[in-house]
Amino acid sequence: EPEVTQTPSHQVTQMGQEVILRCVPISNHLYFYWYRQILGQKVEFLVSFYNNEISEKSEIFDDQFSVERPDGSNFTLKIRSTKLEDSAMYFCARDTGQGMNTEAFFGQGTRLTVV
Amino acid sequence: ILNVEQSPQSLHVQEGDSTNFTCSFPSSNFYALHWYRWETAKSPEALFVMTLNGDEKKKGRISATLNTKEGYSYLYIKGSQPEDSATYLCALLQGAQKLVFGQGTRLTINP
Repeated sequence: EPEVTQTPSHQVTQMGQEVILRCVPISNHLYFYWYRQILGQKVEFLVSFYNNEISEKSEIFDDQFSVERPDGSNFTLKIRSTKLEDSAMYFCARDTGQGMNTEAFFGQGTRLTVV
Repeated sequence: ILNVEQSPQSLHVQEGDSTNFTCSFPSSNFYALHWYRWETAKSPEALFVMTLNGDEKKKGRISATLNTKEGYSYLYIKGSQPEDSATYLCALLQGAQKLVFGQGTRLTINP
């Protein structure tokens, strides 16, 4: 199975700025996900994306967040106006398309630091 | 909200010793339990996916069990090696492929 690749590996941004985190390339699997881990806390689900639509989102995923597949392969997470508390490791993931026994394949993460 | 707890939070083990740690959860309202190994600066990597009460899975020196009735899963490592040093994450699969994670157990193998 091809790996999930995320870019950039580390991004520093000023509070209030917009950031776009990318998963490239993504092969044609059923579900895509974004998770994040704030330092010292649990990995948290943000959103799942199926058939070019949001399938499920957490309460964290408010109006400042959005996801899309702009060219049918890349999968992006946009944070419109970053806040200090958005600083975290953001993981993109995909499934293997084998139903409920499927494992998730994670990218190596993007560490976002908001200053 | 399903709460997944892992214990201990961190563990130091001598090379060659065997060890185990726990993932506990309050209910069986999930589709599957996942174990992941997460090494520093790398992607979390799936170890096991278990779905049925009494499931036991094994991969080399690592094995896992699932008890949905009493709400726990154990991960065992036999004959620990330095390359086993990592954070081990337990997660429950809910709903539309949403994983709910525990806080992880950070394992350090001392040579």
